[in-house]
Amino acid sequence: EAQVTQNPRYLITVTGKKLTVTCSQNMNHEYMSWYRQDPGLGLRQIYYSMNVEVTDKGDVPEGYKVSRKEKRNFPLILESPSPNQTSLYFCASSFSGGNGYTFGSGTRLTVV
Amino acid sequence: AQSVAQPEDQVNVAEGNPLTVKCTYSVSGNPYLFWYVQYPNRGLQFLLKYITGDNLVKGSYGFEAEFNKSQTSFHLKKPSALVSDSALYFCAVFTSGTYKYIFGTGTRLKVLA
Repeated sequence: EAQVTQNPRYLITVTGKKLTVTCSQNMNHEYMSWYRQDPGLGLRQIYYSMNVEVTDKGDVPEGYKVSRKEKRNFPLILESPSPNQTSLYFCASSFSGGNGYTFGSGTRLTVV
Repeated sequence: AQSVAQPEDQVNVAEGNPLTVKCTYSVSGNPYLFWYVQYPNRGLQFLLKYITGDNLVKGSYGFEAEFNKSQTSFHLKKPSALVSDSALYFCAVFTSGTYKYIFGTGTRLKVLA
Protein backbone atom coordinates (compact mmCIF):
# COMPACT_ATOMS: atom_id res chain seq x y z
CA GLU A 1 0.00 0.00 0.00
CA ALA A 2 1.31 3.44 -0.96
CA GLN A 3 1.76 5.42 2.21
CA VAL A 4 3.69 7.85 4.34
CA THR A 5 4.57 6.40 7.73
CA GLN A 6 5.33 8.58 10.71
CA ASN A 7 6.51 7.46 14.11
CA PRO A 8 5.65 7.84 16.87
CA ARG A 9 1.95 8.78 16.74
CA TYR A 10 2.06 10.29 20.23
CA LEU A 11 5.01 11.60 22.21
CA ILE A 12 5.30 13.38 25.53
CA THR A 13 8.75 14.68 26.37
CA VAL A 14 10.49 17.15 28.64
CA THR A 15 12.03 20.47 27.71
CA GLY A 16 15.51 20.12 26.28
CA LYS A 17 15.51 16.38 25.60
CA LYS A 18 16.45 15.77 21.97
CA LEU A 19 13.96 13.83 19.90
CA THR A 20 13.48 12.60 16.36
CA VAL A 21 10.22 12.00 14.53
CA THR A 22 10.69 9.60 11.65
CA CYS A 23 8.99 9.79 8.27
CA SER A 24 9.22 7.24 5.50
CA GLN A 25 7.43 6.96 2.14
CA ASN A 26 7.29 4.00 -0.22
CA MET A 27 6.19 5.81 -3.40
CA ASN A 28 9.60 6.97 -4.67
CA HIS A 29 8.49 10.56 -4.20
CA GLU A 30 11.06 13.30 -4.69
CA TYR A 31 9.36 16.05 -2.67
CA MET A 32 8.90 15.70 1.09
CA SER A 33 7.85 18.19 3.69
CA TRP A 34 7.10 18.68 7.39
CA TYR A 35 4.21 20.73 8.71
CA ARG A 36 2.89 21.64 12.11
CA GLN A 37 -0.82 22.13 12.70
CA ASP A 38 -2.00 24.50 15.41
CA PRO A 39 -5.59 25.64 16.10
CA GLY A 40 -6.46 28.77 14.18
CA LEU A 41 -3.17 28.75 12.27
CA GLY A 42 -3.74 25.90 9.84
CA LEU A 43 -0.72 24.04 8.53
CA ARG A 44 2.62 25.79 8.54
CA GLN A 45 5.57 24.41 6.65
CA ILE A 46 8.68 23.71 8.72
CA TYR A 47 11.11 22.31 6.18
CA TYR A 48 10.91 20.73 2.76
CA SER A 49 13.14 18.69 0.51
CA MET A 50 13.12 18.55 -3.25
CA ASN A 51 15.38 15.51 -3.44
CA VAL A 52 18.18 13.65 -1.66
CA GLU A 53 20.57 16.06 0.08
CA VAL A 54 18.42 19.06 -0.96
CA THR A 55 16.50 20.70 1.87
CA ASP A 56 15.20 24.20 2.48
CA LYS A 57 13.44 26.16 5.18
CA GLY A 58 9.72 26.62 5.24
CA ASP A 59 7.90 29.32 7.15
CA VAL A 60 8.64 28.17 10.73
CA PRO A 61 12.03 26.40 10.75
CA GLU A 62 13.38 27.73 14.07
CA GLY A 63 14.13 24.96 16.54
CA TYR A 64 13.96 22.17 13.97
CA LYS A 65 16.42 20.27 11.81
CA VAL A 66 15.92 17.80 8.97
CA SER A 67 18.03 15.56 6.82
CA ARG A 68 17.45 13.73 3.53
CA LYS A 69 20.15 11.11 3.15
CA GLU A 70 17.88 8.66 1.35
CA LYS A 71 14.93 9.34 -0.91
CA ARG A 72 12.41 7.50 1.26
CA ASN A 73 13.27 9.00 4.67
CA PHE A 74 12.92 12.53 5.98
CA PRO A 75 13.32 12.69 9.78
CA LEU A 76 12.44 15.76 11.82
CA ILE A 77 14.84 16.53 14.65
CA LEU A 78 14.17 18.73 17.66
CA GLU A 79 17.57 19.28 19.29
CA SER A 80 16.21 21.05 22.38
CA PRO A 81 12.42 20.95 22.44
CA SER A 82 10.49 23.73 24.14
CA PRO A 83 6.82 23.91 25.19
CA ASN A 84 5.98 26.15 22.21
CA GLN A 85 6.78 23.19 19.96
CA THR A 86 3.83 21.31 21.38
CA SER A 87 1.79 20.65 18.26
CA LEU A 88 0.47 18.14 15.76
CA TYR A 89 3.10 17.34 13.15
CA PHE A 90 2.55 15.97 9.67
CA CYS A 91 4.98 14.60 7.14
CA ALA A 92 3.90 14.69 3.50
CA SER A 93 5.36 13.57 0.19
CA SER A 94 4.69 14.24 -3.47
CA PHE A 95 6.05 12.92 -6.75
CA SER A 96 6.93 16.49 -7.64
CA GLY A 97 6.06 19.85 -6.18
CA GLY A 98 2.79 20.39 -8.00
CA ASN A 99 1.31 16.92 -7.80
CA GLY A 100 -0.47 17.06 -4.47
CA TYR A 101 0.58 15.49 -1.22
CA THR A 102 0.17 12.15 0.46
CA PHE A 103 0.14 12.83 4.20
CA GLY A 104 1.22 10.72 7.11
CA SER A 105 -1.16 10.10 10.02
CA GLY A 106 0.46 12.71 12.22
CA THR A 107 2.51 12.89 15.40
CA ARG A 108 1.04 14.61 18.42
CA LEU A 109 3.94 16.04 20.40
CA THR A 110 3.65 17.45 23.90
CA VAL A 111 6.67 19.18 25.46
CA VAL A 112 6.38 19.77 29.22
CA ALA B 1 4.08 36.91 -0.71
CA GLN B 2 1.89 33.91 -1.32
CA SER B 3 -1.20 33.57 0.83
CA VAL B 4 -4.38 31.55 1.05
CA ALA B 5 -7.51 32.74 2.82
CA GLN B 6 -10.42 30.67 4.01
CA PRO B 7 -12.74 33.35 5.33
CA GLU B 8 -15.11 31.04 7.24
CA ASP B 9 -13.96 29.14 10.30
CA GLN B 10 -17.09 27.01 10.16
CA VAL B 11 -19.82 26.27 7.65
CA ASN B 12 -23.08 24.62 8.68
CA VAL B 13 -25.36 23.04 6.10
CA ALA B 14 -28.35 20.72 6.24
CA GLU B 15 -28.00 17.24 4.81
CA GLY B 16 -29.11 17.15 1.19
CA ASN B 17 -28.45 20.85 0.62
CA PRO B 18 -25.64 22.14 -1.60
CA LEU B 19 -22.47 23.24 0.17
CA THR B 20 -19.74 25.74 -0.63
CA VAL B 21 -16.46 26.21 1.23
CA LYS B 22 -14.65 29.35 0.16
CA CYS B 23 -11.00 29.88 -0.69
CA THR B 24 -9.17 32.87 -2.14
CA TYR B 25 -5.47 33.09 -2.90
CA SER B 26 -2.76 35.57 -3.68
CA VAL B 27 0.27 34.41 -5.65
CA SER B 28 2.63 35.62 -8.30
CA GLY B 29 2.69 33.33 -11.28
CA ASN B 30 0.33 30.52 -12.17
CA PRO B 31 -0.99 28.67 -9.15
CA TYR B 32 -1.54 24.99 -8.57
CA LEU B 33 -4.60 24.82 -6.32
CA PHE B 34 -5.64 21.99 -4.03
CA TRP B 35 -8.32 20.95 -1.57
CA TYR B 36 -7.67 18.49 1.26
CA VAL B 37 -9.97 17.02 3.89
CA GLN B 38 -9.07 16.03 7.43
CA TYR B 39 -11.24 13.69 9.48
CA PRO B 40 -10.75 13.54 13.28
CA ASN B 41 -7.45 11.96 14.36
CA ARG B 42 -6.41 11.42 10.75
CA GLY B 43 -3.96 12.95 8.32
CA LEU B 44 -5.07 15.13 5.45
CA GLN B 45 -6.46 13.43 2.35
CA PHE B 46 -6.23 14.83 -1.17
CA LEU B 47 -9.62 15.78 -2.67
CA LEU B 48 -8.86 17.54 -5.93
CA LYS B 49 -6.49 19.88 -7.74
CA TYR B 50 -6.48 22.51 -10.44
CA ILE B 51 -3.41 23.10 -12.59
CA THR B 52 -4.77 24.22 -15.94
CA GLY B 53 -7.71 23.64 -18.26
CA ASP B 54 -11.40 23.48 -17.40
CA ASN B 55 -12.29 25.82 -14.56
CA LEU B 56 -14.55 23.23 -12.94
CA VAL B 57 -12.58 20.40 -11.41
CA LYS B 58 -14.14 17.19 -10.14
CA GLY B 59 -12.63 15.24 -7.29
CA SER B 60 -13.23 12.52 -4.72
CA TYR B 61 -16.48 11.84 -2.84
CA GLY B 62 -18.59 13.94 -5.24
CA PHE B 63 -16.76 17.19 -4.52
CA GLU B 64 -15.89 19.72 -7.17
CA ALA B 65 -14.17 23.10 -7.19
CA GLU B 66 -14.45 26.12 -9.40
CA PHE B 67 -11.38 28.12 -10.37
CA ASN B 68 -12.04 31.81 -10.97
CA LYS B 69 -8.94 33.63 -12.15
CA SER B 70 -10.38 37.15 -12.02
CA GLN B 71 -11.57 36.71 -8.44
CA THR B 72 -8.54 34.58 -7.48
CA SER B 73 -10.87 32.07 -5.90
CA PHE B 74 -11.09 28.30 -5.76
CA HIS B 75 -14.31 27.44 -3.91
CA LEU B 76 -15.13 23.85 -3.00
CA LYS B 77 -18.65 22.68 -3.77
CA LYS B 78 -20.91 19.67 -3.51
CA PRO B 79 -24.48 19.51 -4.86
CA SER B 80 -25.90 17.48 -1.97
CA ALA B 81 -24.16 17.32 1.42
CA LEU B 82 -23.91 14.17 3.53
CA VAL B 83 -23.48 13.96 7.30
CA SER B 84 -20.28 12.00 6.60
CA ASP B 85 -18.85 15.06 4.82
CA SER B 86 -18.45 16.73 8.21
CA ALA B 87 -14.72 17.38 8.56
CA LEU B 88 -12.02 20.04 8.38
CA TYR B 89 -11.24 21.27 4.87
CA PHE B 90 -8.02 22.94 3.77
CA CYS B 91 -7.29 24.89 0.62
CA ALA B 92 -3.65 25.02 -0.54
CA VAL B 93 -1.64 26.73 -3.27
CA PHE B 94 1.67 25.77 -4.83
CA THR B 95 3.74 27.76 -7.30
CA SER B 96 6.71 26.50 -9.25
CA GLY B 97 8.45 29.81 -8.64
CA THR B 98 8.81 29.31 -4.89
CA TYR B 99 8.40 25.51 -4.94
CA LYS B 100 6.44 25.77 -1.71
CA TYR B 101 2.92 24.91 -0.62
CA ILE B 102 0.90 27.36 1.44
CA PHE B 103 -2.22 26.16 3.29
CA GLY B 104 -5.22 28.10 4.47
CA THR B 105 -6.28 27.99 8.10
CA GLY B 106 -9.04 25.47 7.43
CA THR B 107 -12.83 25.51 7.46
CA ARG B 108 -14.82 23.15 9.62
CA LEU B 109 -17.83 21.80 7.75
CA LYS B 110 -20.77 20.57 9.80
CA VAL B 111 -23.54 18.77 7.96
CA LEU B 112 -26.68 18.53 10.08
CA ALA B 113 -29.07 15.62 9.77
